[in-house]
Amino acid sequence: NAGVTQTPKFQVLKTGQSMTLQCAQDMNHEYMSWYRQDPGMGLRLIHYSVGAGITDQGEVPNGYNVSRSTTEDFPLRLLSAAPSQTSVYFCASSLLPGNEQFFGPGTRLTVL
Amino acid sequence: RKEVEQDPGPFNVPEGATVAFNCTYSNSASQSFFWYRQDCRKEPKLLMSVYSSGNEDGRFTAQLNRASQYISLLIRDSKLSDSATYLCVVNRYNDYKLSFGAGTTVTVRA
Repeated sequence: NAGVTQTPKFQVLKTGQSMTLQCAQDMNHEYMSWYRQDPGMGLRLIHYSVGAGITDQGEVPNGYNVSRSTTEDFPLRLLSAAPSQTSVYFCASSLLPGNEQFFGPGTRLTVL
Repeated sequence: RKEVEQDPGPFNVPEGATVAFNCTYSNSASQSFFWYRQDCRKEPKLLMSVYSSGNEDGRFTAQLNRASQYISLLIRDSKLSDSATYLCVVNRYNDYKLSFGAGTTVTVRA
């Protein structure tokens, strides 16, 4: 089992560019989520999904889109990157929201 | 007020010492509680769940105080490898959204 994988590990964007952060899991988990982590703050939920075809907004969804066409994949799209989106992004999955969350290794994004 | 608050530390302790720290949560409807460990520039990993009656896992002891709305983590006989940031995580019943604290940093020195 690879667990939760994320690509890329590092990314530098210019303001206004768009990109997709990839996330995949091979544990057949229904629940997947995207977080961002900024210094001095806890992980903040961006979007989450409770199964294929079902997504919902988290705490900080503005500027991000998600889709869930399969159980395995949950990509995060930045529509028009802004410097405020400079952060570390973690994807996580679990059987249920209250269960152990398995995190990917993170994507470190810098927006210039 | 933040839903989950932690003392950021750092807690600097010598090897073999005991260190303890708390996490407070604001929503009395919170039902599930966890401690995660995060090493520098790595992803968080589950350290232990926190049960109502308190629980131990080796050198780690977690306690829940519902009346005062806090959970605690105690590390006995600290090892250098315990140096990390410890994240408090809270989940309300039937809520898909977990709330994370900003973390408490522990540094164990030789």
